[in-house]
Amino acid sequence: SQQGEEDPQALSIQEGENATMNCSYKTSINNLQWYRQNSGRGLVHLILIRSNEREKHSGRLRVTLDTSKKSSSLLITASRAADTASYFCATDHGNYGGSQGNLIFGKGTKLSVKP
Amino acid sequence: NAGVTQTPKFRVLKTGQSMTLLCAQDMNHEYMYWYRQDPGMGLRLIHYSVGEGTTAKGEVPDGYNVSRLKKQNFLLGLESAAPSQTSVYFCASNRVLSTDTQYFGPGTRLTVL
Repeated sequence: SQQGEEDPQALSIQEGENATMNCSYKTSINNLQWYRQNSGRGLVHLILIRSNEREKHSGRLRVTLDTSKKSSSLLITASRAADTASYFCATDHGNYGGSQGNLIFGKGTKLSVKP
Repeated sequence: NAGVTQTPKFRVLKTGQSMTLLCAQDMNHEYMYWYRQDPGMGLRLIHYSVGEGTTAKGEVPDGYNVSRLKKQNFLLGLESAAPSQTSVYFCASNRVLSTDTQYFGPGTRLTVL
């Protein structure tokens, strides 16, 4: 399976701390995306990083991509209780390996930020 | 704009019953998708469409059918529901590239008894 694997599966931190989540994948990608899902809701796109990019920022979010290690990390700085959600990485492998150009979602990291 | 909407939000079916889930988007997107989400499994693609009148199979298409008669609507049908189809179903859409940012609906929670 090409499915990305997030690590850790669950993370619990205090408000104000930084949260780091990792995503690893198996085959080459065109781009990698991170999504957030609040409990009982649909996914919301956070950030997209292309295979030729190494780092991208959006507000308190920082995403890095290491294509040699086939991994990405999502850093949330100065976390807030409102950041409590599940975070998913999704990879675009083009037409390789039967994915037909569609995104492959990982199983997610459940983040809990305590006030 | 309402974005992506899904109908219904909740449904309970008995084994063997049929139903249709409706997804609608008002963003004039070409691509639409149906996913299912099960605990610990992430999202898995059921079927997708690259434009009006087209559909294609995703990773887990068995037991489901879809139709895209209008560009803004994507229907997911279960002809004979099974307990294994108990899940949360999400619809998504995006503009042109199949792997551009996807916009998700709020989900339909389906229970099959």
